[in-house]
Amino acid sequence: DAGVTQSPTHLIKTRGQQVTLRCSPISGHKSVSWYQQVLGQGPQFIFQYYEKEERGRGNFPDRFSARQFPNYSSELNVNALLLGDSALYLCASSSGTVSNQPQHFGDGTRLSIL
Amino acid sequence: GESVGLHLPTLSVQEGDNSIINCAYSNSASDYFIWYKQESGKGPQFIIDIRSNMDKRQGQRVTVLLNKTVKHLSLQIAATQPGDSAVYFCAEILMTTDSWGKLQFGAGTQVVVTP
Repeated sequence: DAGVTQSPTHLIKTRGQQVTLRCSPISGHKSVSWYQQVLGQGPQFIFQYYEKEERGRGNFPDRFSARQFPNYSSELNVNALLLGDSALYLCASSSGTVSNQPQHFGDGTRLSIL
Repeated sequence: GESVGLHLPTLSVQEGDNSIINCAYSNSASDYFIWYKQESGKGPQFIIDIRSNMDKRQGQRVTVLLNKTVKHLSLQIAATQPGDSAVYFCAEILMTTDSWGKLQFGAGTQVVVTP
């Protein structure tokens, strides 16, 4: 079975631009979460979606937004990109809620801001 | 791929020896914990989890120990192999105010297996 898939794998943008990252969860998983991982640090929670509704938001500015589609795939949008947004963006899915099921991660989208 | 482990604490282990990776968690109310392994250029890979009603859980070559008194987790890897070289993260579930949880990751430990 396919794991969590993310696209694109790499992306280069300039300051001020907007970006959309995509994620397909493991088949049957209804929960999708997004994380930002800066080099040398652990992933930081951005959003969780379950059954197409936002269930949690981390300490990120309103420039970050996300949504989940009826097929449980998800998009993360970042507006007005800053140099500090350069990071690995990870998507994770789980069959239940975060509090009772392990999350399984994709290999991420490496976003570089010039 | 880029190294995930830049500036992280490093544990050097000889092939065949046992590894012990330690982690302190932040919230005494956390009740679910997960260990992840992250190889260079990859996303975190689930290793093993444990709930707060347990002190110990074993998997294939791995054991997780939970000490709630001092808010400490450890991951033991038996007979460490070169393929075990990676960054290891512990993560705790922090419950949000509306009873939904989010994963909070620790700082990570770089494990280097030497022949």
